[in-house]
Amino acid sequence: GAVVSQHPSWVICKSGTSVKIECRSLDFQATTMFWYRQFPKQSLMLMATSNEGSKATYEQGVEKDKFLINHASLTLSTLTVTSAHPEDSSFYICSARDAKGAAQPQHFGDGTRLSIL
Amino acid sequence: AQTVTQSQPEMSVQEAETVTLSCTYDTSESDYYLFWYKQPPSRQMILVIRQEAYKQQNATENRFSVNFQKAAKSFSLKISDSQLGDAAMYFCAYRSNGDDKIIFGKGTRLHILP
Repeated sequence: GAVVSQHPSWVICKSGTSVKIECRSLDFQATTMFWYRQFPKQSLMLMATSNEGSKATYEQGVEKDKFLINHASLTLSTLTVTSAHPEDSSFYICSARDAKGAAQPQHFGDGTRLSIL
Repeated sequence: AQTVTQSQPEMSVQEAETVTLSCTYDTSESDYYLFWYKQPPSRQMILVIRQEAYKQQNATENRFSVNFQKAAKSFSLKISDSQLGDAAMYFCAYRSNGDDKIIFGKGTRLHILP
């Protein structure tokens, strides 16, 4: 079964709306989670690293004020796309790794398809 | 900086045949992990196989195996007895042992011909 739950799977909203996406690790604790954006037929682009209890680390070119990340607990990280516009439409995926061991693989959520009208 | 290169944007293979997807990477580190992820049309990321760099033996998972050449920094994926369900985007990925961040290649789209 899925070990990382991402919600919602699909959201359609009007331009100017803020949208929150949740990423939960179901049976392990994750001090670090990752948020990716994927354009059609392209690879995953890392947006930011979400750190439990501290500020997220954003990749170059990613607007911090546009993509707000909160990692309030060891099992939950949220990505909020603020004042979303059509260009923010994309597929967003989170991932997390069990912090218990270096060999643990990353587990991915099923992704969120965001469509801004 | 580490990079992962997949030189084949698309490949096709006849059902039941064998296909090899190429991947090369660049790193100055000696301790790292390599992965192949599959992304079907549902867009779920599925871990196919992984390799620890310190292990000389190539990883195998049923019909999937890798050819890991550490000196050449090559990590190819071989799919034997290809099935229609293998059709997907395949991403090669790298992770340093000291970092959680995964670096992905651009992907290879694999078509299975019936």
